[in-house]
Amino acid sequence: EAGVTQFPSHSVIEKGQTVTLRCDPISGHDNLYWYRRVMGKEIKFLLHFVKESKQDESGMPNNRFLAERTGGTYSTLKVQPAELEDSGVYFCASSLGLAGLEVFFGPGTRLTVL
Amino acid sequence: GESVGLHLPTLSVQEGDNSIINCAYSNSASDYFIWYKQESGKGPQFIIDIRSNMDKRQGQRVTVLLNKTVKHLSLQIAATQPGDSAVYFCAEGGSYIPTFGRGTSLIVHP
Repeated sequence: EAGVTQFPSHSVIEKGQTVTLRCDPISGHDNLYWYRRVMGKEIKFLLHFVKESKQDESGMPNNRFLAERTGGTYSTLKVQPAELEDSGVYFCASSLGLAGLEVFFGPGTRLTVL
Repeated sequence: GESVGLHLPTLSVQEGDNSIINCAYSNSASDYFIWYKQESGKGPQFIIDIRSNMDKRQGQRVTVLLNKTVKHLSLQIAATQPGDSAVYFCAEGGSYIPTFGRGTSLIVHP
């Protein structure tokens, strides 16, 4: 069974540009999460989808970040316009239920904003 | 505010030694904790969890200890191997969305 996949694995963009990250959760997982880890710091929660609905977006840093999950399958996270402080590793995770044991993480997208 | 944090950012051990990674939490209402291992180029992977009604839980070569009095938990890895080299995160999962600490980098020297 395929795990959570993310695309691209790396992205290098200039300040002011737009980047879109994609996450494909494990098939059948209704819960999809986005997290971000800035260098040397903790992994911070961004938002949580249940199917196509945003259940909790309290971690989204500002309105330059837009997450979507049309159809309740894959999700995209768009950063527009990107700023230097947006650099970090963006993780996607999915789960069938709501328990730590069942949360599976993707490999992450490393975003570098120059 | 509430936080989950770690005492040491880097831990170096010799292969075969036991490793202990510590984590402090501040939310006294937390009732579920998880340890994750993150290897280079991969996302965090579940290692072991523990609920607040327990003070110890053992897995394969790993043991998690929970001290609710001082709001502290630890991950013990027995006979540490080079493959254990990774960043280890503790997370509070009581609200069903794991809340992570900063992470400890474990380096295992052969």
